[in-house]
This record gives sequence, structure tokens and C-alpha cells, in this order.
Amino acid sequence: QLQLQESGPGLVKPSETLSLTCTVSGGSISYSSYYWGWIRQPPGKGLEWIGIIYYSGSTYYNPSLKSRVTISVDTSKNQFSLKLSSVTAADTAVYYCARHFSSAYMDVWGKGTTVTVSS
Amino acid sequence: EIVLTQSPGTLSLSPGERATLSCRASQSVSSSYLAWYQQKPGQAPRLLIYGASTRATGIPDRFSGSGSGTDFTLTISRLEPEDFAVYYCQQYGSSPLTFGGGTKVEIK
Repeated sequence: QLQLQESGPGLVKPSETLSLTCTVSGGSISYSSYYWGWIRQPPGKGLEWIGIIYYSGSTYYNPSLKSRVTISVDTSKNQFSLKLSSVTAADTAVYYCARHFSSAYMDVWGKGTTVTVSS
Repeated sequence: EIVLTQSPGTLSLSPGERATLSCRASQSVSSSYLAWYQQKPGQAPRLLIYGASTRATGIPDRFSGSGSGTDFTLTISRLEPEDFAVYYCQQYGSSPLTFGGGTKVEIK
């Protein structure tokens, strides 16, 4: 059974870079039909799509975050990662990694990790 | 960017009742590329429906989706206790992928 697990610091200082990793287990990140991506949810609010990556390295980002976001993949470790630079309190959220079927809908989700931006 | 508006914001119903949730898009969603998710407190969202009307693996048949163009509906035919949650629609017809603001289905 495919599982995704987010990991990374739970507290990041303003202006610094948020870094998270998603480890995929129970299957290969190199499946041809799937993209791998990140979604976030501020406290008490809705979902915001951040971006996705294919195992080959092709990426698509939300234009609202594009200038600050980098998503990368390490197929040897079956992991993909998120970096969000110049964070502010508005970036405080639960961050989810998820498998995207054909860059479309998200059919497998990680449990999420809370990241707080505060000094 | 396609903006999705969900209504109502909150739906207060009793177990056994029928729930009808609406998702309206600011422009036509191509090829009915719309999905629905269920989220319970402290949990990740769970995929219910994709392609506007296709149930995901393991989803009970009391959940059904319909619609096309700009108007989509999620129907829960008879609410079970475990169905009380927040529901989100999401379009994948154009980039960026976007979500609606959610509808909370609460126990009356």
C-alpha cells in the first residue's frame, strides 16, 4: 500500500527558507502516470495547491508562489522535496504531500506536517 | 485562474438525510475535470470523486457526483455518522489547480 510521509522542521523564522521532504513507501516514485506534489492549509482555512513534479524533474508551480517555490525529486531515495523561500507568518500552515494522477487530482495523501513561521 | 465557489458554507442535517453540495466555477471546467474530497478534523483530505462523477476506489455508492461546465454537485444519499466532515471541490482542467472554499456538513 502506497504511503507518503512528510518530514521537516516545525518552526521556521521569518525571511528564512522552509524545507520539507516527502518519503514515498510501498511503491516507486517513478510510476509513469503520476506526479508528486504539495498542498497547504492555513489554520482554519481551505486548501492551496503549491506545485508538482514528475520523476523526470518537470515541474509546475502555482503562479502565486512560483517566485519562492522549488520542488525537487530524488528517485534514488524515493523522495521529493519542497523549498519555500522568504517565508512570513502567512506561510504558517499544514503542508501535505500528495500523489497526483496525471498532474490532475490527488489520490494518495500524506498525513500532513504543521509548519509555523515565527521568530 | 478558475475560482470555485462552494455553497452552502455549512449544511446542518441529521443522519439518514440527503445532502446536496454545490460547486460553481468562474469559467467552464474543461472535460468535467472536477474532483471532490472529504476532510475530517486533524486528517488529510480523502479523494471521493474524480471526473465529476467517478467514485474513487473504496468510496461507498451513497456518494455521487454530477454536473458539467460551471455547475457541479456532490450528493450523499443517506448521511452516515462518519460522513459529517468538510467537503472540497477541486478543478484540474486548467493550471493552476484550484480548490473551493469547502462545505461543512454538520450534525443537526
